[in-house]
Amino acid sequence: DAKTTQPPSMDCAEGRAANLPCNHSTISGNEYVYWYRQIHSQGPQYIIHGLKNNETNEMASLIITEDRKSSTLILPHATLRDTAVYYCIVRVEARGSTLGRLYFGRGTQLTVWP
Amino acid sequence: DSGVTQTPKHLITATGQRVTLRCSPRSGDLSVYWYQQSLDQGLQFLIQYYNGEERAKGNILERFSAQQFPDLHSELNLSSLELGDSALYFCASSVAEVGTGAGKLFFGSGTQLSVL
Repeated sequence: DAKTTQPPSMDCAEGRAANLPCNHSTISGNEYVYWYRQIHSQGPQYIIHGLKNNETNEMASLIITEDRKSSTLILPHATLRDTAVYYCIVRVEARGSTLGRLYFGRGTQLTVWP
Repeated sequence: DSGVTQTPKHLITATGQRVTLRCSPRSGDLSVYWYQQSLDQGLQFLIQYYNGEERAKGNILERFSAQQFPDLHSELNLSSLELGDSALYFCASSVAEVGTGAGKLFFGSGTQLSVL
């Protein structure tokens, strides 16, 4: 699986958009980008995933660059409850791949302040 | 609530002992994954089962073993425990093994293991 690079920490004012970057320059054509977050000592929570098109759901938006070498997770209106570690992961979906192995790096600690 | 149930929530034991952690996946999910999280190592993938069969192994020690039963619940057995095994152990489940969205995992709230 491709490796990802994320800034170790970011902060954001409550109510503002939080834009979390992720670099995955070695991503291959069949690897999806997944985002998870972990609020202190709780189990990680799935946020969103995509292949090459931008995606949006009730939690966030995922913007993937055209060359797919980087992506940005956008929390449009951050709240205090969004304070968490955010993980960007790339994963092959095809049979015979490293199935199930979601590799969590160190992620980005997002702190939302009032 | 993710729908994944892990028991117990906390476990305190002594070095050399053996413990069993239990996980019940979400209804309908066939894949179960185990992760270990310690302060210095982050989230480490241990092992995955799909419909009772082992599918992938990560950095799981030989002292650790797991299985998935016919009713799809899973157990992680940790033996000859050492101080360094103290960690949060998470179980996760997913509905599919392959295909789009198969990486969408639902995590339990974890078992905090303390080895004294």
